[in-house]
Amino acid sequence: GQQLNQSPQSMFIQEGEDVSMNCTSSSIFNTWLWYKQDPGEGPVLLIALYKAGELTSNGRLTAQFGITRKDSFLNISASIPSDVGIYFCAGQLERGNTPLVFGKGTRLSVIA
Amino acid sequence: DTGVSQDPRHKITKRGQNVTFRCDPISEHNRLYWYRQTLGQGPEFLTYFQNEAQLEKSRLLSDRFSAERPKGSFSTLEIQRTEQGDSAMYLCASSLAWDRVQETQYFGPGTRLLVL
Repeated sequence: GQQLNQSPQSMFIQEGEDVSMNCTSSSIFNTWLWYKQDPGEGPVLLIALYKAGELTSNGRLTAQFGITRKDSFLNISASIPSDVGIYFCAGQLERGNTPLVFGKGTRLSVIA
Repeated sequence: DTGVSQDPRHKITKRGQNVTFRCDPISEHNRLYWYRQTLGQGPEFLTYFQNEAQLEKSRLLSDRFSAERPKGSFSTLEIQRTEQGDSAMYLCASSLAWDRVQETQYFGPGTRLLVL
């Protein structure tokens, strides 16, 4: 089946640092989404991207939908301890809410 | 504003037993999805409904698994004759979808299943 390659697998950063993670695919996706998951909880939507080249911000988070439609990145600026968690990229091959394909996640640890 | 809810949050069962999970989507959401997530992996799609119709099933959904959404609102996922390999987090998501509208899926807190 389809797979998304998400990197890095894990990151250890100092509080206040900026973070960047990305997701690539061999297939074209029409929608890219970024979720955050805390232990024992379901994924929470952070940012949704619907157009190639789109750059969208949500507070300290910024995500972009790659021009080729095969990649996306998520940046977090000035990290804080509550940013700790697992970040997942997810894509949809077709518009209209087809099932999501997820990456394996980036585990973020923030050292105060 | 009520989000997606799932019940139970945790379930421990013995191999061979049947289990049933429930998902209540966000009110008025017409699509409901089930995903499974194992340790260290992202969620994987199992099946989804639009209203009461089951539109797609993944090959991950063996014949021991059955899902229903009888009135187009809540859904149940049943696993018969559970196996240790069924141990996972079962996630439900819902969305409001119609043609040419960009919508996305909102997830519940999940049901964590442990099969002994």
